[in-house]
Amino acid sequence: KQEVTQIPAALSVPEGENLVLNCSFTDSAIYNLQWFRQDPGKGLTSLLLIQSSQREQTSGRLNASLDKSSGRSTLYIAASQPGDSATYLCAALYYGQNFVFGPGTRLSVLP
Amino acid sequence: DTGVSQDPRHKITKRGQNVTFRCDPISEHNRLYWYRQTLGQGPEFLTYFQNEAQLEKSRLLSDRFSAERPKGSFSTLEIQRTEQGDSAMYLCASSSADWAVNYGYTFGSGTRLTVV
Repeated sequence: KQEVTQIPAALSVPEGENLVLNCSFTDSAIYNLQWFRQDPGKGLTSLLLIQSSQREQTSGRLNASLDKSSGRSTLYIAASQPGDSATYLCAALYYGQNFVFGPGTRLSVLP
Repeated sequence: DTGVSQDPRHKITKRGQNVTFRCDPISEHNRLYWYRQTLGQGPEFLTYFQNEAQLEKSRLLSDRFSAERPKGSFSTLEIQRTEQGDSAMYLCASSSADWAVNYGYTFGSGTRLTVV
């Protein structure tokens, strides 16, 4: 079964800390892995997409890595800010175009 | 074309009523997807279309749910005889086969349904 999991489920950190969010996926037959941000009651904002042939992608203070062989991806957020508070979701696009989401990590950055 | 549009943004309905949501995808995308997201969970796949053909339906899509994409452009999702358990965010996404591999899925802002 194709399944995506995320840990931790929730995380609370003081402003300025660097932090890592984890995503694991079963079955390494993926085209890509995508990280999204979701604010409460809102839709999804795409943050980063990593192709299966890539190891990492960077955008500003965000860096996402992918290790297909171990079925893991991490999202690194540098110098966290209160505005980063949101739920972060990862999703894997499997062969056969099956796009599966993890349950998300709810992040709170305290001022 | 500014992205995927969903309408309405919010819908409050009484139990037993029918509701219909609309999704307008990015015009070049031939694939359109519906997902449902309940509180505290990740989005779950409901159904997808390639052009006007509905190619896959999840077991989550009960007989009370129906989706259409009549001309291969916009899509509607109808829920008949709504139940409180239908309360959720309904998300629409579009892509093409090549687009999904290279750029992922593009999501709309969602329709939040509350059944009272």
